[in-house]
Parts: sequence; structure tokens; C-alpha cells
Amino acid sequence: EVQMVQSGVEVAKPGESLKISCKASGYDFSTYWIGWVRQMPGKGLEWMGVVYPGDSFTRYSPSFQGQVTISADKSHTTAYLQWRTLKASDSAIYYCARMQTYMGFDFWGQGTLVTVSS
Amino acid sequence: DIVLTQSPGTLSLSPGERATLSCRASQSVLSDYLAWYQQKPGQAPRLLIYGASSRATGIPNRFSGSGSGTDFTLTISRLEPEDFAVYYCQQYGRSPDTFGQGTKLEIK
Repeated sequence: EVQMVQSGVEVAKPGESLKISCKASGYDFSTYWIGWVRQMPGKGLEWMGVVYPGDSFTRYSPSFQGQVTISADKSHTTAYLQWRTLKASDSAIYYCARMQTYMGFDFWGQGTLVTVSS
Repeated sequence: DIVLTQSPGTLSLSPGERATLSCRASQSVLSDYLAWYQQKPGQAPRLLIYGASSRATGIPNRFSGSGSGTDFTLTISRLEPEDFAVYYCQQYGRSPDTFGQGTKLEIK
């Protein structure tokens, strides 16, 4: 059974760094893209970027390029989303999801709520 | 980037009625790589349709997708109470992938 399990709620201050995770299981981790999607409070879905764990190749939306880093660790079958310097506007729910080239996002994590406040 | 515009923003219907949701792209979607997702409050999105018209595993056949190029439609033939939710389209044919802004399907 495919599962994407995300790390828990995060509360942080502006200027701090943060890394959230997405643990995948039930399939060959190296051969499927994993993506991250942002949902700000009461708003729609925003595609942030994807990583291919097989070779760590990444693609970013221009809106998020340089603002976040997406990575993957094959040995732990885990994908990550990290910020070097958080802003209040980064407060949102972040979803990871497995991506199939011809299907889009077929399995989703439960979401990680990130709150950035002084 | 390809901009996806969904209409209407909100659709008010009763159980048993037919729902038609639209997704229009600012340029042609490569290989008709267009997906539809359903999101209920407090839950992650769920894949309904991929490749414009293929149902994902476990999705009831009252959900159907159609269209190609720049115009796509999600149809729910006969609404069940559990279908009232927000629906998003996504194109994944040309990077960066993009989502539409969503259509809220509410009970009339």
C-alpha cells in the first residue's frame, strides 16, 4: 500500500530555518517524482516543485525558485522541503504527493501546517 | 506559465442533479495532461481524473472528464451528498505544472 506520511505541525519565527519531511512507503521510491504543493489559509493549491529521488533532479515553479529547497534521501525514502529564512507569508499547509508523469499526483500526504509568527 | 481558469467559482446544486465544471487553459495542454482533484475541508486533495478523461483507481463512474487542447470539463452525472467539495484542475504537461483556482460545489 502506497503511503506518504508527513511530519507534524510546525510553529516558527520569522527569520528562522525549517525543514519538513515526507516519508514514502509501499513503492519503489527512486522511480517516481515527489512534489510539494502549498495551500495558504482559505486559498487554492499552488504547485511548488518536484524532485526525482533516483538522481535528485529538481524542477521548481518560478514563484518558489530560490525561496525553498526540495530534496530527497533514497536511504530513508523521504523527501524534504526546507526554508533558510522563513517569512510570515510562508504560513500555510504544505502537501507532498507522489507524481506519475502521465497521471499527475496520485497519492498525497496528510499535509503539514506551518505557522510563522513572532 | 500556463494559466488555468476554472468556472464557475461556486456552483450551487442539489443531490441528484448533474454538475458541469469547466477548466480553460491559456495555451494548449501538452498530451492532454490535465487532472482533476477533489478536496474536502480538512483533507488532502484526491485524484479523480487524469489524462483529461481517465478515472483514477476507485473513483465512481458518475465522475467523468472530457476535453482537449485548451478546454476541459469535469462532469458529475448525479450528485451524491459526499460530492460537495472544492474541485481543482491541474495541467502537468508543461513545466511549471499549474493548478486552477478551484470551483466550490455547494449544496443548494
